[in-house]
Amino acid sequence: DAKTTQPNSMESNEEEPVHLPCNHSTISGTDYIHWYRQLPSQGPEYVIHGLTSNVNNRMASLAIAEDRKSSTLILHRATLRDAAVYYCILRANAGGTSYGKLTFGQGTILTVHP
Amino acid sequence: SAVISQKPSRDICQRGTSLTIQCQVDSQVTMMFWYRQQPGQSLTLIATANQGSEATYESGFVIDKFPISRPNLTFSTLTVSNMSPEDSSIYLCSVASLPGNTIYFGEGSWLTVV
Repeated sequence: DAKTTQPNSMESNEEEPVHLPCNHSTISGTDYIHWYRQLPSQGPEYVIHGLTSNVNNRMASLAIAEDRKSSTLILHRATLRDAAVYYCILRANAGGTSYGKLTFGQGTILTVHP
Repeated sequence: SAVISQKPSRDICQRGTSLTIQCQVDSQVTMMFWYRQQPGQSLTLIATANQGSEATYESGFVIDKFPISRPNLTFSTLTVSNMSPEDSSIYLCSVASLPGNTIYFGEGSWLTVV
């Protein structure tokens, strides 16, 4: 599986935007970029995913570099509830035996200050 | 979306015993997976639970230690056999369905082996 690199930790203040970077220089043409987060004492939850174009949903935005070797998860206004470990994961295209399998790195621990 | 229930949510087990964790999904899913998250670590995939056949294990995990069943499209069990303190972890069930790209996780089963 292609590898991702994320900062170990980041801090933010409440109601400020947060930009969480991820490098994935060995991404293949068919890998989707997925972001999951794990709140304390919970299982991971889906945040957003994309392939080439920037994506927005109610939780966050995903900005993907033109060469797809990096991406940034954007939380527009951080809340205390956004404090979590954020995982950037490359996921193989649907089909084959690898569909549905996720390879987790260490992720970024986001701390949000009141 | 898929709602996943895991039982038990938490348990303290004696060394040398075995414990079976159940994963129940509220809808039929194509694929089910079991992950382990050791204290302070990220998630590691244990195996893919295959409906009606033997599970597919990742490197470092074996059937004798982690037998898995999946009798239908909504239910799976993971047994942690002959437990030692090193097995103290969170065990998580995840599911994926076609079509769609979202993978869902259960809340996890927190095991402490004493």
